[in-house]
Amino acid sequence: NAGVTQTPKFRVLKTGQSMTLLCAQDMNHEYMYWYRQDPGMGLRLIHYSVGEGTTAKGEVPDGYNVSRLKKQNFLLGLESAAPSQTSVYFCASRTAGRNQPQHFGDGTRLSIL
Amino acid sequence: DAKTTQPPSMDCAEGRAANLPCNHSTISGNEYVYWYRQIHSQGPQYIIHGLKNNETNEMASLIITEDRKSSTLILPHATLRDTAVYYCIALPYNQGGKLIFGQGTELSVKP
Repeated sequence: NAGVTQTPKFRVLKTGQSMTLLCAQDMNHEYMYWYRQDPGMGLRLIHYSVGEGTTAKGEVPDGYNVSRLKKQNFLLGLESAAPSQTSVYFCASRTAGRNQPQHFGDGTRLSIL
Repeated sequence: DAKTTQPPSMDCAEGRAANLPCNHSTISGNEYVYWYRQIHSQGPQYIIHGLKNNETNEMASLIITEDRKSSTLILPHATLRDTAVYYCIALPYNQGGKLIFGQGTELSVKP
């Protein structure tokens, strides 16, 4: 039972490079989320999706784009990476029912030099 | 969304109950109290949530005061594997589940 899987687990980029982080869930969840966590801080919401083909901005969306072409996948893109985007990125998903908990992946550790 | 306040750190002896407090004095009537924890380097893990009644599951108990201004998460028999950062979050039921994480409480369970 895989749950929420994030790919890759680690990545080092140079400033200005682009990349896409993949989140895949096998629980048929409608809602998916992308968070970032900086050292010593709690998670902050970047973007989220309430269903296939829909996305919305969270607390810190600048510099990121997302797509939800398939229900099970939620992609987070960095078009031109900046050192300020060095962080650990977590994906989560949950079913659409009221008060359902979020299930998190194990994170992607991204360093931008 | 209501702001929550938690102590930055706590210690607990292995085998004893760990009682983690959370203050949410501005909580509104439609906001639930959620608890998640994050073990080092892992993604957050859901523990429990409640509105106004006390709740218990296989992981923990949640005690919410009658005025709903504060709550306590209880781990009845803490083990070394319970060492983690614990987050208390007040979340309206109708806002798409957008969690807002604060600094949390770093719980250290000691042998």
